[in-house]
Amino acid sequence: EVQLLESGGGLVQPGASLRLSCAASGFAFSSYAMSWVRQAPGKGLEWVSTISGSGGSTSYSDSVKGRFTISRDNSKNTLHLQMNSLRVEDTAVYYCAKAYRSSWDHFDYWGQGTLVTVSS
Amino acid sequence: QSVLTQPPSASGTPGQRVAISCSGSSSNIGSNTVNWYQQLPGTAPKLLMYSNNERPSGVPDRFSGSKSGTSASLAISGLQSEDEADYYCAAWDDSLNGWVFGGGTKLTVL
Repeated sequence: EVQLLESGGGLVQPGASLRLSCAASGFAFSSYAMSWVRQAPGKGLEWVSTISGSGGSTSYSDSVKGRFTISRDNSKNTLHLQMNSLRVEDTAVYYCAKAYRSSWDHFDYWGQGTLVTVSS
Repeated sequence: QSVLTQPPSASGTPGQRVAISCSGSSSNIGSNTVNWYQQLPGTAPKLLMYSNNERPSGVPDRFSGSKSGTSASLAISGLQSEDEADYYCAAWDDSLNGWVFGGGTKLTVL
């Protein structure tokens, strides 16, 4: 059974940093692209970033480019999102999502999400 | 403002058929397949439809999808109370080199 468990969320001040993690199990982690998708309170889904199975290819939304870094540790079946220079508008539930295969394939499994609150 | 455009709300009575539209452009829906996600209240999104009209295992055949040009549509027939949820369309965007979502449609079963 595929399981994705996010962690690392919390309350931080504007300008601070936070690192999210997503522990994956139930599938051959290194064979699948992974993504982060966020949802601000009461709002819709917003794609944040995607990384290929090998980790050699990454892409980011314009809203986080230069501030967030996606990475993965295939030896530990873990996905990360390093978030720097956080802004109030980054407040959201952050979901990790597994791709069916490649970066441009649909998300077939989602985690339960971790809440990031950026506030002074 | 979302790249893909969906109506913010839709409604129907039990047993009815409802359709939710999703409009995009040549760089996303026009050149890539459309996926739909269902988000029940207080839960994470779940894959509902992929590659325009393919249902994952476990999704009832009451749900169907279609795509034409730069638009797509999700149809739900035989509406049930448990279908009350938010529905999102998504597609890969070749110009943005990333995923784009619709703003979501809140479906109410009256």
